[in-house]
Amino acid sequence: AQSVTQLGSHVSVSEGALVLLRCNYSSSVPPYLFWYVQYPNQGLQLLLKYTTGATLVKGINGFEAEFKKSETSFHLTKPSAHMSDAAEYFCAVTLRRGYGQNFVFGPGTRLSVLP
Amino acid sequence: GAGVSQSPSNKVTEKGKDVELRCDPISGHTALYWYRQRLGQGLEFLIYFQGNSAPDKSGLPSDRFSAERTGESVSTLTIQRTQQEDSAVYLCASSLTSGDTQYFGPGTRLTVL
Repeated sequence: AQSVTQLGSHVSVSEGALVLLRCNYSSSVPPYLFWYVQYPNQGLQLLLKYTTGATLVKGINGFEAEFKKSETSFHLTKPSAHMSDAAEYFCAVTLRRGYGQNFVFGPGTRLSVLP
Repeated sequence: GAGVSQSPSNKVTEKGKDVELRCDPISGHTALYWYRQRLGQGLEFLIYFQGNSAPDKSGLPSDRFSAERTGESVSTLTIQRTQQEDSAVYLCASSLTSGDTQYFGPGTRLTVL
């Protein structure tokens, strides 16, 4: 079965600083990996995903994540934080088609952006 | 096209009553998921439907919880004899098939008094 860990339930950065949200996964077969964002009082939105191909994937709002198989990681980064980035971020893993069905979400990391 | 919709958006009920939550997935999506999100916490998987296959009920917390899906359309999540600990936002998501991107509905906020 697959699992996801997110290091740091709460991360604070200053506006303009680098954002780094950590995600590590475990999976017995090659996974699909996702980052979702939940803004205050809103539903979850897909930020970006990795399925196959290029290991560096770019998403909306300037975010990107790199799939590192050797480290079983899929960390989310953004070079310069904006106040509007304050939200809850969830990493998720699922198995590729034909292998299984469950999405497994990490516990989430709350990002605060300080002025 | 239309996204995932859920109804009601808010439900307040008394302890011991039954509630039904509805999810309308995106048309053509064969996979449908239910999650629970307690205040300040992450997503807790409840149940998964894929086409006409038997649903994966491994996340349902007790036998008071059940869900149905008619074909590849509407799903209802039923909670019988509600308890205060059932208070949470219940999220529904659908995807084209298993392993594809999930699209989430706005959720139903359930409050059990």
